[in-house]
Amino acid sequence: EDKVVQSPLSLVVHEGDTVTLNCSYEVTNFRSLLWYKQEKKAPTFLFMLTSSGIEKKSGRLSSILDKKELFSILNITATQTGDSAIYLCAVGGENQFYFGTGTSLTVIP
Amino acid sequence: SAVISQKPSRDICQRGTSLTIQCQVDSQVTMMFWYRQQPGQSLTLIATANQGSEATYESGFVIDKFPISRPNLTFSTLTVSNMSPEDSSIYLCSVVHTRVWGLAGNQEPQYFGPGTRLLVL
Repeated sequence: EDKVVQSPLSLVVHEGDTVTLNCSYEVTNFRSLLWYKQEKKAPTFLFMLTSSGIEKKSGRLSSILDKKELFSILNITATQTGDSAIYLCAVGGENQFYFGTGTSLTVIP
Repeated sequence: SAVISQKPSRDICQRGTSLTIQCQVDSQVTMMFWYRQQPGQSLTLIATANQGSEATYESGFVIDKFPISRPNLTFSTLTVSNMSPEDSSIYLCSVVHTRVWGLAGNQEPQYFGPGTRLLVL
């Protein structure tokens, strides 16, 4: 059965801390791995990863994929209160995307 | 990326009634999906909306309860029928621009509409 597992389920940090969010997967016919940020209703696209070892970076956020070990990490450096959200990992298989349950991040001032 | 709109953005409905949610995209897309996100949970795929034919439903979802239309490449509707409080959820449509799903496809991000928050009393 295809599945995506994220850890930790929730995280509380102070502003300025660095956090690492994990996503492991078992998906038949892997196509891509995506990270989303969900603050209110709609998930906002962050990164799409298709190749191992190539880091994607956007400001304080970065992500990398390991297709051999079947996982990805999302790093956020110098966290800010605006980073508080649920971070979702999704993996594209042959016919659909499979979502993890998300990591709830709270950044305290 | 695609600009996706959903209507209504939220609604409060009575048990036993039905609600139709509309999803409009500003460009032609190949794949359109409908998801549900119940409180405190992740996204669950309801169905893939197929243009000009019946939607493909995931396990646990049936057409009688969640009829879906997709008359063209930019528009789809999801109806939540005979609602009960358990249907209270956020409903999201999403799209993928891809020409060949499963081959060259599925290498493009999935973008989400703003969501419809439904409360059933």
